[in-house]
This record gives sequence, C-alpha cells and structure tokens, in this order.
Amino acid sequence: GIQVEQSPPDLILQEGANSTLRCNFSDSVNNLQWFHQNPWGQLINLFYIPSGTKQNGRLSATTVATERYSLLYISSSQTTDSGVYFCAVAGGGGSEKLVFGKGTKLTVNP
Amino acid sequence: DGGITQSPKYLFRKEGQNVTLSCEQNLNHDAMYWYRQDPGQGLRLIYYSQIVNDFQKGDIAEGYSVSREKKESFPLTVTSAQKNPTAFYLCASSRHALTSNQPQHFGDGTRLSIL
Repeated sequence: GIQVEQSPPDLILQEGANSTLRCNFSDSVNNLQWFHQNPWGQLINLFYIPSGTKQNGRLSATTVATERYSLLYISSSQTTDSGVYFCAVAGGGGSEKLVFGKGTKLTVNP
Repeated sequence: DGGITQSPKYLFRKEGQNVTLSCEQNLNHDAMYWYRQDPGQGLRLIYYSQIVNDFQKGDIAEGYSVSREKKESFPLTVTSAQKNPTAFYLCASSRHALTSNQPQHFGDGTRLSIL
C-alpha cells in the first residue's frame, strides 16, 4: 500500500520563527489532508490539498503531486501552534483508505 | 452546530468485558470511519462505512465490531478478543467515500484504558 513519510519527526522553535514541514508519499493520490492534533488530542483539519497551493492565515500548504510531496508552512509561530502535525493521503487507485504519516511534533517556546 | 460527537471521553474496561464507543454526526455525511491511535504514532484504520447497513474492515479490525443502522451513528465495540485495547479512538466522517475526493472531519476522541 501507499507509504507516507513526514519530516522532521520533532521540531522546536522560538515564538515568531517560521517552519516548513514535509510529507513524502510513495504513489499517486486523490486525497491529501494536513491535520493539527492539539495537546488534548483533538484533530483539526488544516487543509484538504491533493494538489496546488492554499493559504489560511499564517499557514499555507503546497502539494506537488507529480513529485509526490507536500509542504506545510507555518509563519510567525505561536505557542498555540504546538502539537503534532499529520499528513494523510488516499491513493489514486480508488482506495477508500486514508493513510497517516507518523507526524511531526512541533514545540513552540515563548 | 454541525459536527461529530464521540462519547464517552474516557472509558475503562475490565478484563473479558466488551465496551461500546459512540459516534454520532449531524453533518449528513454518508461515510464514517474509526481509527486507533497509540502513543507517538499516527492513526490506523479499524473499520469504515460508506453507506447505511454496509461497512468494511480496515487495517486492524481484529477484536473490534461495528454497526451502521442509521446514517448518523457508527458505534464501535471493543470486544474481549482485543488483547491490547488501551489507545485513543477517533471517529471521522466525510460527505462521500474517499474515492469522491472528500475531506474527512474528526470527533474529539475517546481514551480507552484497561483496569
């Protein structure tokens, strides 16, 4: 099945810094989502982005489907950005299964 | 407000006991999903349902059972056959199945522990 790798596994930033999180996947996809899991376990849908670029406030994401990767940009980070960021994909071969990466744990220090 | 409600937030299971986790959505979504998350790991798919009265096994279905008698409800039973049930369980839904390129939305989860 499709494989998803996220990097880096851990990231520590000072408040105000910018960061880029990466998601590589092993096959063509028809669904790609970025999620933020907060310290209470809630999984928040950030972007639905199987291709192209989207922006939402300080966050933006780009997926280059032909090269099988997606990037999540966080600008001017805040302590509330801390948590785990997951990338999840579903294959383009008609698969109904959303496959998750292991996540990037982000810690933003004041 | 529209959303996905999971209950209870915390659940404790005794040895040999079956327990049922509730998941209700008022988004009028056709597809619903159950995931398991272990500490420091991503989510793994247990079961999913694309339509009422139909469901399919995911990657780790052994020791679990589901039903989909109503569009809004997709309860998950953790049976005594699941020998390592301690985990965080998340329910999700999407307007249609993933083959229709629909995003998934998640409930707040249930933490299950063994007494």
